[in-house]
Amino acid sequence: EAAVTQSPRNKVTVTGGNVTLSCRQTNSHNYMYWYRQDTGHGLRLIHYSYGAGNLQIGDVPDGYKATRTTQEDFFLLLELASPSQTSLYFCASSDWGVNTGQLYFGEGSKLTVL
Amino acid sequence: GDSVTQTEGPVTVSESESLIINCTYSATSIAYPNLFWYVRYPGEGLQLLLKVITAGQKGSSRGFEATYNKETTSFHLQKASVQESDSAVYYCALFSRNNNNAPRFGAGTKLSVKP
Repeated sequence: EAAVTQSPRNKVTVTGGNVTLSCRQTNSHNYMYWYRQDTGHGLRLIHYSYGAGNLQIGDVPDGYKATRTTQEDFFLLLELASPSQTSLYFCASSDWGVNTGQLYFGEGSKLTVL
Repeated sequence: GDSVTQTEGPVTVSESESLIINCTYSATSIAYPNLFWYVRYPGEGLQLLLKVITAGQKGSSRGFEATYNKETTSFHLQKASVQESDSAVYYCALFSRNNNNAPRFGAGTKLSVKP
């Protein structure tokens, strides 16, 4: 079964703080994604990648950087965190083929920016 | 860009009642998109409920059904008789095969089923 692991699961930081959210998938999938989930907005796409070293801009990228270091690992970076970035973050992976677009999600990382 | 609009929640129904959560989509690709319903049960992560990748087809899972209607660009989620265990947040999503695109989601519909 597909496996996506996120860390940390919970994080509290202060305004201006530096945060890195990590995601590792063991599915051998090419595609990885970062979404944020907020009440009333659903899941919004921040960044995504279709392979190591590749980065694509999503719909709400402001204030976020991302880096895909290997096929397995995808990181989301908040270099100057703001309270508006308080959210639940989901990482996901998918393959390319008949199941294209079907996502396998991590458990989520809850970030609070004070 | 691609977008998804679904029933605004929260939605509350009584056990054994029928349910419909509406979902309509707009896709930029000329090819018909793949359509999905995901669910997030309390305390759990997001998981796939059902998917349909061919226009006109119906998907089903756990008593839920959704039919891909390309004429009305809709993918409504239905269940004839809900159970308390169906209480969750439901997300409609689409994926267009267009320039390495990414799945887009609706705002989510929180369903509460009263015993």
